[in-house]
Amino acid sequence: AQSVSQHNHHVILSEAASLELGCNYSYGGTVNLFWYVQYPGQHLQLLLKYFSGDPLVKGIKGFEAEFIKSKFSFNLRKPSVQWSDTAEYFCAVTTNTNAGKSTFGDGTTLTVKP
Amino acid sequence: KAGVTQTPRYLIKTRGQQVTLSCSPISGHRSVSWYQQTPGQGLQFLFEYFSETQRNKGNFPGRFSGRQFSNSRSEMNVSTLELGDSALYLCASSLKGPGSRNTEAFFGQGTRLTVV
Repeated sequence: AQSVSQHNHHVILSEAASLELGCNYSYGGTVNLFWYVQYPGQHLQLLLKYFSGDPLVKGIKGFEAEFIKSKFSFNLRKPSVQWSDTAEYFCAVTTNTNAGKSTFGDGTTLTVKP
Repeated sequence: KAGVTQTPRYLIKTRGQQVTLSCSPISGHRSVSWYQQTPGQGLQFLFEYFSETQRNKGNFPGRFSGRQFSNSRSEMNVSTLELGDSALYLCASSLKGPGSRNTEAFFGQGTRLTVV
C-alpha cells in the first residue's frame, strides 16, 4: 500500500520569504501526485497535479512542484509567500489501479506573518 | 458547473445513534470517494463507489457503510456512533473510474459531525 510523508508539521515564514514543503511517498509503481490547500473553514482545493511528462509542474497562485522519481519526492515551492497563503497544505498520491483512493500526508500548517 | 455538494454541513448526534450523510457529485462524474478528517488521524480514506458498486474500502469498522445511486449521488451511514467518530467527512468526485489514468478528485466542503 502506498504512504505519504510530509516532513514539516508547522512552518512559520515572514511575507516574501521562499517556501519549500517536503513530500515523499512510498510506492513502487506509477503514481499520480497532488498538492491540495485548505484555507481555514474552507474545502480542499487543488493547487497542482502531476500525472506524467515534465516533472516540474506549475499550479495556481504561483506554486510549483518538482517530481523527482529517484527520490520518491514531490516538493512544493513558492518563491515569495504572502499572508494569504496561510493555510494547511496536503500532499496526496493515487495510483492508476486505485485512482479513486487518495492517500494523504499528515499535512503542513503554514503561517505567514505580515 | 456546480461543485461537489455535501449535506448537511453540520450535525450533532448522540453516542449510539446513527447518521446518514449525503454527497452530490459534479454533474457527469461517476466516481465518489469518502474521507474522514480528524486532527489526530488526518485524512483517511473510507470507501469509493463507481457505477453503484463499492470499488475500494479503507480500514474502518463495519459501522461505516455507503451506497451510490444510479444518478451517482452517494450516501454514507455510520451506525452506533462513538465519540471518536466526530470528524469532518469529505466527499470527492471524479470523472473517471477506479482504473483510469490521470484522474483528479474534486472535494466538497464536508459535513462536520459532532458526537456527544
